[in-house]
Amino acid sequence: GAGVSQTPSNKVTEKGKYVELRCDPISGHTALYWYRQSLGQGPEFLIYFQGTGAADDSGLPNDRFFAVRPEGSVSTLKIQRTERGDSAVYLCASSLTAGNEQFFGPGTRLTVL
Amino acid sequence: AQSVSQHNHHVILSEAASLELGCNYSYGGTVNLFWYVQYPGQHLQLLLKYFSGDPLVKGIKGFEAEFIKSKFSFNLRKPSVQWSDTAEYFCAVNAHSGGYNKLIFGAGTRLAVHP
Repeated sequence: GAGVSQTPSNKVTEKGKYVELRCDPISGHTALYWYRQSLGQGPEFLIYFQGTGAADDSGLPNDRFFAVRPEGSVSTLKIQRTERGDSAVYLCASSLTAGNEQFFGPGTRLTVL
Repeated sequence: AQSVSQHNHHVILSEAASLELGCNYSYGGTVNLFWYVQYPGQHLQLLLKYFSGDPLVKGIKGFEAEFIKSKFSFNLRKPSVQWSDTAEYFCAVNAHSGGYNKLIFGAGTRLAVHP
C-alpha cells in the first residue's frame, strides 16, 4: 500500500483482557515506531524498531506492554491485562531510516471498559 | 529530559487572518524540528521540517516556520489562513543524542478558522 496501515481501527475490550494491535509500515522502511496519544495530548513515544530489533523501548510504560517485528516489516503491539488507563489512540509510524521523516498511520483507538 | 511546549492550546481566527503558533523545546544539542498537522478525521501529516541550513523553512499550503536557536523556538506562521486550515497542529523534535530515534511532541494547538 501507499501508506502506513493499522488494524483494527477501533478496539473495545474489557479490563484485564489481552489485545494485539497491528501495523503495516510503508514498504522498504526499516524504522518503525509506536506512539500513544491520549485525549488532549500529543503523541507519546513507546518503542522504536530498526529492522527486527527493538532499538529503543524506553517509552513502554510497564511490562504489560510488548511489541514485536519478527520479519522486519509488520509489527504487533501487545498489551496484557489491559487497564482503563490504557485507553488511547495507538499510532504507528515508519521512516526510511532513523532520523528521516516519519509517516504516520491512522491509528487504533483502544477503549478499555 | 527533552520536552516541547506549545503555548496556545486553542486558537480561533477568521479567514484571511495571520497565524503564528508558538513552539519551544528544551534540549541543548543538535535537533531536527517538525510541524505535523492533523485535519479532522485524518491522520498526522508532515507540514514542514528543519534539519539544517536556512532557519526559515517553507512547507506545504503556504506554511512556514523559523528556527531561532538562541530562543529554542520553532514557531509556525501563515500570513492568511483559510477555513480548510482548521486542524490540530503539533510541534515535534528529535535529538541527535537519542540517535534521532523518536519524536517528542508538544500537546498540540487546535486551530479553528471561521469563514
